[in-house]
Amino acid sequence: NASVTQTPKFQVLKTGQSMTLQCAQDMNHNSMYWYRQDPGMGLRLIYYSASEGTTDKGEVPNGYNVSRLNKREFSLRLESAAPSQTSVYFCASLHLPYQPQHFGDGTRLSIL
Amino acid sequence: QQQVKQSPQSLIVQKGGIPIINCAYENTAFDYFPWYQQFPGKGPALLIAIRPDVSEKKEGRFTISFNKSAKQFSLHIMDSQPGDSATYFCAATLFGNEKLTFGTGTRLTIIP
Repeated sequence: NASVTQTPKFQVLKTGQSMTLQCAQDMNHNSMYWYRQDPGMGLRLIYYSASEGTTDKGEVPNGYNVSRLNKREFSLRLESAAPSQTSVYFCASLHLPYQPQHFGDGTRLSIL
Repeated sequence: QQQVKQSPQSLIVQKGGIPIINCAYENTAFDYFPWYQQFPGKGPALLIAIRPDVSEKKEGRFTISFNKSAKQFSLHIMDSQPGDSATYFCAATLFGNEKLTFGTGTRLTIIP
């Protein structure tokens, strides 16, 4: 089955530590996205990539960096984690506009 | 600035009832309105979507009603079942834009 795979599924960090969240899709989709989900806030776009080699800021990019390593992989990096970044992070991919975004099952990140 | 407002935040309905979730948008240039369904521990998945050239779309027990003049759209679930218990997100996007703007989500519980 076609899928978006996120690793790790869970992580606990201390304030100030760095970490990279990994995402890979096997559907040959052009666009990939990173969202964070917080209670009462819905899904907020952190960064997105329309194609390999391009990235663009979303609604809440501060404190994050991304890399579109190739067409399959899109990583999200927290350089110096803060408690405000405690959240569930979702990666998604899209082939063409007006088609469904396909989501991974999330990374649950806690920062102490 | 939130561009898609969703209500209610949570909803409890008895089995067989018709839960209704409402969304309102501000940007009249939005032209694609999907609904995503999310089960606990999983990523969101597309449920149903509508374009503004129609006022209603049905897929099985799920119906989107769209009111372009009021800039509102809603999701109705007919003959609701406990298996419909999930979080539902409305979203909107602009023509040619691959980024979705999500509502804040509705946690739906169907009690037997």
